[in-house]
Amino acid sequence: AQTVTQSQPEMSVQEAETVTLSCTYDTSESDYYLFWYKQPPSRQMILVIRQEAYKQQNATENRFSVNFQKAAKSFSLKISDSQLGDAAMYFCALLSGTYKYIFGTGTRLKVLA
Amino acid sequence: NAGVTQTPKFQVLKTGQSMTLQCAQDMNHEYMSWYRQDPGMGLRLIHYSVGAGITDQGEVPNGYNVSRSTTEDFPLRLLSAAPSQTSVYFCASSYSWGTDTQYFGPGTRLTVL
Repeated sequence: AQTVTQSQPEMSVQEAETVTLSCTYDTSESDYYLFWYKQPPSRQMILVIRQEAYKQQNATENRFSVNFQKAAKSFSLKISDSQLGDAAMYFCALLSGTYKYIFGTGTRLKVLA
Repeated sequence: NAGVTQTPKFQVLKTGQSMTLQCAQDMNHEYMSWYRQDPGMGLRLIHYSVGAGITDQGEVPNGYNVSRSTTEDFPLRLLSAAPSQTSVYFCASSYSWGTDTQYFGPGTRLTVL
């Protein structure tokens, strides 16, 4: 069975500081993708970053980067220079095998001014 | 492009009633999915489709039906609504498996009394 676990229900960060959100996953597939999605209060789901499992290099998108540890099945998201607009729910997701995305339970990020 | 559209935005049903949640995309995406989001549960996959005429079950398919007669539309039918189906429902689509962004609709908040 494929699983995604986010063990931090809530995190806080000071504006301009760096925060890391944790995610662990499990899959028996060798070909898979990992994602971080952001859900602001508007409820709209927005893709933040994507990592292909076959790529050793960690993905980066501007202030967002991941630490992908394949052997440990860990996929954390680092947000640098946090901004008030980063406040949202963040979901880690796994796509492997058939077209079935598995989402974690989410981490609520609060950004303190 | 309108992207992924969902109607209605809000709906209240009585137990036992049936209804259809509409989802449409104008991006010529082959892959479409329905999710439900419940507090503390993240997003869970209900049904998905990899092309017109092809659908399959996700993690929580019971009580829901889908069909995909066109590339653009992927309606979700509640056969006999139950209070346990009170949730926010999201439709999503992507051009291909994994490498392309999955775009989400704005969601439908459904309450079953």
